[in-house]
Amino acid sequence: DGGITQSPKYLFRKEGQNVTLSCEQNLNHDAMYWYRQDPGQGLRLIYYSQIVNDFQKGDIAEGYSVSREKKESFPLTVTSAQKNPTAFYLCASKNTRGRVDEQYFGPGTRLTVT
Amino acid sequence: GQQVMQIPQYQHVQEGEDFTTYCNSSTTLSNIQWYKQRPGGHPVFLIQLVKSGEVKKQKRLTFQFGEAKKNSSLHITATQTTDVGTYFCAGHEAAGNKLTFGGGTRVLVKP
Repeated sequence: DGGITQSPKYLFRKEGQNVTLSCEQNLNHDAMYWYRQDPGQGLRLIYYSQIVNDFQKGDIAEGYSVSREKKESFPLTVTSAQKNPTAFYLCASKNTRGRVDEQYFGPGTRLTVT
Repeated sequence: GQQVMQIPQYQHVQEGEDFTTYCNSSTTLSNIQWYKQRPGGHPVFLIQLVKSGEVKKQKRLTFQFGEAKKNSSLHITATQTTDVGTYFCAGHEAAGNKLTFGGGTRVLVKP
């Protein structure tokens, strides 16, 4: 059963702590993305990776870091430098060799920092 | 940078009625995509439009891409309760590798 998994579904942290969100895909997609969604708003791009061992900053990369050591995995670390980290985080992947640029989304992780 | 705007932000529709949501980009797009996000869920791809003036239909949903490739619309006929959710457009710039999402239109259906 192919798809994208994100864990955990809900995550609670104290202010000042770094936290890493997991994203795994078995779709054999080259490209992976991290988005942030705040209540009632659209998706904003944090980081994206077109290929293993390479990634680029999106529109709101400050306070976040990523790695892409394996094709299947694209973990996101929310650092203590992120001023307002409470949000819904969505990971997505895409087949870069297809005709359609469809992005497949994982179920998301709701992060609450207090 | 590229901006994508959607209107309206909210749409309250009586079941059985039609409505349209609009999407406008600040720059010319190579393609535009539409996604639907159910309450508490994640975005799911609906369709991609590539050609200027393109129109595509999916049952009661009609998608259109503007002639200048800077705007798009989604028209839903005979709205049903299953249409509840937030509809996002997302634009792909010609030279870019990333999508820029609009703020979404949140659709509420009154039975």
